[in-house]
Amino acid sequence: EAQVTQNPRYLITVTGKKLTVTCSQNMNHEYMSWYRQDPGLGLRQIYYSMNVEVTDKGDVPEGYKVSRKEKRNFPLILESPSPNQTSLYFCATLGNTDTQYFGPGTRLTVL
Amino acid sequence: SQKIEQNSEALNIQEGKTATLTCNYTNYSPAYLQWYRQDPGRGPVFLLLIRENEKEKRKERLKVTFDTTLKQSLFHITASQPADSATYLCALPSEGSTLGRLYFGRGTQLTVWP
Repeated sequence: EAQVTQNPRYLITVTGKKLTVTCSQNMNHEYMSWYRQDPGLGLRQIYYSMNVEVTDKGDVPEGYKVSRKEKRNFPLILESPSPNQTSLYFCATLGNTDTQYFGPGTRLTVL
Repeated sequence: SQKIEQNSEALNIQEGKTATLTCNYTNYSPAYLQWYRQDPGRGPVFLLLIRENEKEKRKERLKVTFDTTLKQSLFHITASQPADSATYLCALPSEGSTLGRLYFGRGTQLTVWP
């Protein structure tokens, strides 16, 4: 089954404690992306990756890092999380027909 | 930069009626426009894509129109059902690119009541 998986699905942490949210896809897609979703603001792109070792900033990259060492994985790293990064995070891949496939989401709370 | 507006935050209609959602955009001419459905706490799910040279596209009870002159897309759900209740998002690619960079509207929350 074609899917995008994210882990963890829920996370409560404290300010400044580094964390990583993993994203993995089994569709062999070149393109992967991270979004955050906040009430009243909608979905906003954080980072995207056109291919292995190629990443670029989206609209809200501050406070985040990514890496793309292999095609199937695209982890999102928060080196020093702050409360304003409390959000619902989605990983997505891009299919052949410009369709984005989203993961199930990771709900992060930073205290 | 491009701006995307969805006509209302919420739309309530009776079962069996046609729901019409609006997506307006400004400042550029996108190569295509997409519609997604999102249920609470879940990731968006792709529904339809319509390209700039297409006026209308249908999929089962769904119909999308794309008016590049008005800079507007209409999303219709005919014979609506309570199971259609969800938030619907429109999305457009960034200017000058057809790969990957998508901008989403804030969504319209549709409620279909029996």
